[in-house]
Amino acid sequence: GAGVSQSPSNKVTEKGKDVELRCDPISGHTALYWYRQSLGQGLEFLIYFQGNSAPDKSGLPSDRFSAERTGGSVSTLTIQRTQQEDSAVYLCASSYSPGGNYGYTFGSGTRLTVV
Amino acid sequence: GQQLNQSPQSMFIQEGEDVSMNCTSSSIFNTWLWYKQEPGEGPVLLIALYKAGELTSNGRLTAQFGITRKDSFLNISASIPSDVGIYFCAGDKTGTASKLTFGTGTRLQVTL
Repeated sequence: GAGVSQSPSNKVTEKGKDVELRCDPISGHTALYWYRQSLGQGLEFLIYFQGNSAPDKSGLPSDRFSAERTGGSVSTLTIQRTQQEDSAVYLCASSYSPGGNYGYTFGSGTRLTVV
Repeated sequence: GQQLNQSPQSMFIQEGEDVSMNCTSSSIFNTWLWYKQEPGEGPVLLIALYKAGELTSNGRLTAQFGITRKDSFLNISASIPSDVGIYFCAGDKTGTASKLTFGTGTRLQVTL
């Protein structure tokens, strides 16, 4: 597609349930990023994938969070046993490559509400 | 995680006025970036700054990379209604764009 596609756009879940958020990057983009934006805050880095290299998971806030990227394309962010503090907008971005290219293209995000 | 200190938090200005916002950090960044986010959308890159002291313009936008590499500012001249949005600064220490640290944002409202 023309841009980064994220689904669902909105998700309401009960505390304790697991959720999966999906990101379809721009075709040909080798780098993929997940960020989290809490209400009224800036973006917080979660995880970064580059090609076949091991992902940089240093931003994941707890072991309830995990992400994978299959076939170098689609990525899924999974949050297990959701808590109310997980409520936020989860943004995915992709780029041709890192190494000085700051041309991230962000998706519109998934707004997660844990009730 | 760390967030950059961005000010002001919000601004209400009249169309035609100039706007200035800045971003500071306690640590050095190799690259400074400015993004704009509109409701329901992801941020869009406005300007990237790669060298200390660099001054870069993009239309009515001008941004500078501070000499100390710990700060940056963004100016918008002759504001128009479509400038409304949240402006974020971001810094990169990795040199590979793999992990950005964002500011808390400046919300800009423009009245006619």
